[in-house]
Parts: sequence; structure tokens; C-alpha cells
Amino acid sequence: DVKVTQSSRYLVKRTGEKVFLECVQDMDHENMFWYRQDPGLGLRLIYFSYDVKMKEKGDIPEGYSVSREKKERFSLILESASTNQTSMYLCASSPNTLNWVGYGYTFGSGTRLTVV
Amino acid sequence: AQKITQTQPGMFVQEKEAVTLDCTYDTSDPSYGLFWYKQPSSGEMIFLIYQGSYDQQNATEGRYSLNFQKARKSANLVISASQLGDSAMYFCAMRAGANNLFFGTGTRLTVIP
Repeated sequence: DVKVTQSSRYLVKRTGEKVFLECVQDMDHENMFWYRQDPGLGLRLIYFSYDVKMKEKGDIPEGYSVSREKKERFSLILESASTNQTSMYLCASSPNTLNWVGYGYTFGSGTRLTVV
Repeated sequence: AQKITQTQPGMFVQEKEAVTLDCTYDTSDPSYGLFWYKQPSSGEMIFLIYQGSYDQQNATEGRYSLNFQKARKSANLVISASQLGDSAMYFCAMRAGANNLFFGTGTRLTVIP
């Protein structure tokens, strides 16, 4: 019954590496999101996408990019990983509906990334 | 601008007792939705309950209820008959206007046997 799948549960990468975090959803949702979660700061939106090949910056896009080549897949890219990007990363999806405010998001299980 | 405030970083409750987790919000949009999510130590975010700004009645889902006070802009989560499995982080979130889901900083609930 898995709906949003994040490819890795735990990752350890070195400073300066290019890192790919993958997210796949099987609910045919139009909208996909990447958040990072840090203690005391809650969840902060990095990037989101309303359609294939479309992307929008969230609140903290610096140091990140994204790719959405297929509707079901949304990738987060850390171009050159730094230690301040050590965090929990959560992917989410939601449908595109007229009742916009009535729909929350379905989340993946998260990826704990450590940059050393 | 949207704002969600959760003022309780941590809460403790005795098993089988009820607990209230506080959430206040701010938005200028008349149409908005309020959500509560639970995050166990495993990491996944689990949707618990939803309240729409035009809903007249407080939302309830099993042991969860949302105490919605629109004039005070508060949307507190009430968990009745706490269980050990309720120990987790709890996040209040809001979606308003054309904006995305916006989260508070969370409350860590610990249920004591």
C-alpha cells in the first residue's frame, strides 16, 4: 500500500559531492513537494512542482535544484553537498483540485542525509 | 503572509489521560484549511485530522478532535485516552488561498505509562 516512496532511508555523503534524492508516487498526483525538516524549525519547503518539467522555488531553494521528467517522479539535487545540508528530507504529493485548501499532502518516509 | 505557531516544544501525558496540543495561525485569506500530522520516530508524516475555515462543527476522527476557535485563530488538537503509541512529534499545518501547506515547528508528545 505504498503511495510515496523515497529511494533511500539513510544517506551519508561527503562535502562537495553531487547528491540525488529520489521520490516516486503512484497516486497520479499532479503536485509534488520537497521539504527539509530540522529540530525547532519544523518543515520548510525547498521546491515544488505542479506539472511535468515544471518547478517553483519554495522558501529555502538555495543550494538545491529539482527535476521532474515524469509525472510520478520528483528528484531533489544537491549540486555540491555541504554540512549545513545535513537534515531530514521529506517528499510529498497532492492532487490538483478545485477544493485546494481541503487537501493535505501524502508524505514519504523521509531520507536522513548526513554530509561529512 | 501565513503563520503557524506551536508554543509547546514538548508535552507529557499519562497513559489513558486526554491531552491538548496548541496551535494558533494567522492568515488574511478567508478560505483556508487546517491540518494535524503525526510523525513517529520512524519518520513518516501521518495525516490525522482536517478542519476547513467554513466548517461549522469541530472535526473529529476517532480519538482525535480539533478544537477550532475561529475568532481566536486557534486549532488545538485534542487526543483522548492517550496510548503509548501516541508518543510522537505532532505538526499543525495550514493551507490558505493559493499557497502551499505551511507547517508549525511541532510538539513532541511523550506518553508515560
